[in-house]
Amino acid sequence: DTAVSQTPKYLVTQMGNDKSIKCEQNLGHDTMYWYKQDSKKFLKIMFSYNNKELIINETVPNRFSPKSPDKAHLNLHINSLELGDSAVYFCASMSTAYEAFFGQGTRLTVV
Amino acid sequence: AQSVTQLDSHVSVSEGTPVLLRCNYSSSYSPSLFWYVQHPNKGLQLLLKYTSAATLVKGINGFEAEFKKSETSFHLTKPSAHMSDAAEYFCVVSDRRDDKIIFGKGTRLHILP
Repeated sequence: DTAVSQTPKYLVTQMGNDKSIKCEQNLGHDTMYWYKQDSKKFLKIMFSYNNKELIINETVPNRFSPKSPDKAHLNLHINSLELGDSAVYFCASMSTAYEAFFGQGTRLTVV
Repeated sequence: AQSVTQLDSHVSVSEGTPVLLRCNYSSSYSPSLFWYVQHPNKGLQLLLKYTSAATLVKGINGFEAEFKKSETSFHLTKPSAHMSDAAEYFCVVSDRRDDKIIFGKGTRLHILP
């Protein structure tokens, strides 16, 4: 069973559209994250949730809105997509031993 | 605040020679440290982790790393490089104080035939 799963794996969309990326973890962790990997491969934290509550919001544009319906899910909704949003987005969860588990990434291409 | 510095953005070694990828961290609390590998157009794969047990950590594919608190380092090594090791490697730190997982900027490992 996949521990942290993201869908879709690839997403190609036009500027101005609204899209969502879903993330689910079956590890029972309380803490989940979204990271953005830019073209230079740098991974930057976007959001952190703990048991459905927002903990970290790293000055991400408010076009990005995370939603956590329960502690196993942390979805990322993006409004009015821009060219600069093209990147690989990674979902992660963290155990109580502070070990991180990552999804396989969603490659978003805005055209 | 915690941080991670990967000292080399690119490392080139010949196949069959040792690999050393350097990582220094800063953390005001007991850190957990990780190395991840990312092959082109692939996701992140955990190579190994340090979570306050043995300071010499063995990982997959012959990699290992040593946690040195006095030097605040967690360098990744492998005795003999293989062509399939060519990838991007990330040193990662998490600590108990703020629940953040912080990535280094990555080191691209090139393997020369």
